[in-house]
Amino acid sequence: AQKVTQAQTEISVVEKEDVTLDCVYETRDTTYYLFWYKQPPSGELVFLIRRNSFDEQNEISGRYSWNFQKSTSSFNFTITASQVVDSAVYFCALSGDPFTSGTYKYIFGTGTRLKVLA
Amino acid sequence: EAGVVQSPRYKIIEKKQPVAFWCNPISGHNTLYWYLQNLGQGPELLIRYENEEAVDDSQLPKDRFSAERLKGVDSTLKIQPAELGDSAVYLCASSLRSSSTEAFFGQGTRLTVV
Repeated sequence: AQKVTQAQTEISVVEKEDVTLDCVYETRDTTYYLFWYKQPPSGELVFLIRRNSFDEQNEISGRYSWNFQKSTSSFNFTITASQVVDSAVYFCALSGDPFTSGTYKYIFGTGTRLKVLA
Repeated sequence: EAGVVQSPRYKIIEKKQPVAFWCNPISGHNTLYWYLQNLGQGPELLIRYENEEAVDDSQLPKDRFSAERLKGVDSTLKIQPAELGDSAVYLCASSLRSSSTEAFFGQGTRLTVV
């Protein structure tokens, strides 16, 4: 069975602080994909990043960085120098490879609400 | 390029009434999803389409929910009759192909059943 756990329900930080959002996943698939989405108050889920299970190279995009570690089944997301506009709910998601496992659906975690205070 | 368009944004209905939601995916996206999101929870898949074929509807409560995607483009999700517990946000998403690629979401329809 697939599962995504985001243990942090809500995090509050002061602007310019760094913050890390944790994501732990479970899957029996050898090929799978991990995603992060941002859901601002407007409600629309915004895609941030996709990683496949064969690519453990960490990625940095501006103030965002992602740390993928298969050994601990984690795919953590760090925001450096947080800003008020980063306030949102962030979701981690997992999907199988339909060509190998037949697991088509995205499984989302319960989300972490990030509040960045000015 | 237009994103995923959903309508209406908000809907309030009395219980036992029918309701329908509409979704227009991104042009060229073969895969379309309907998700249900309860307050404080992550989205949960209701149904996934590959073109016009529903390939995963195991989570769709078929006694009251139905969906269609005619011609493999727009999709409609219907609830009949609605129950109080159906109050939630219904999200539509599309992706270029299968779930190995990122999905793009619409703004959702917030349904309130009173």
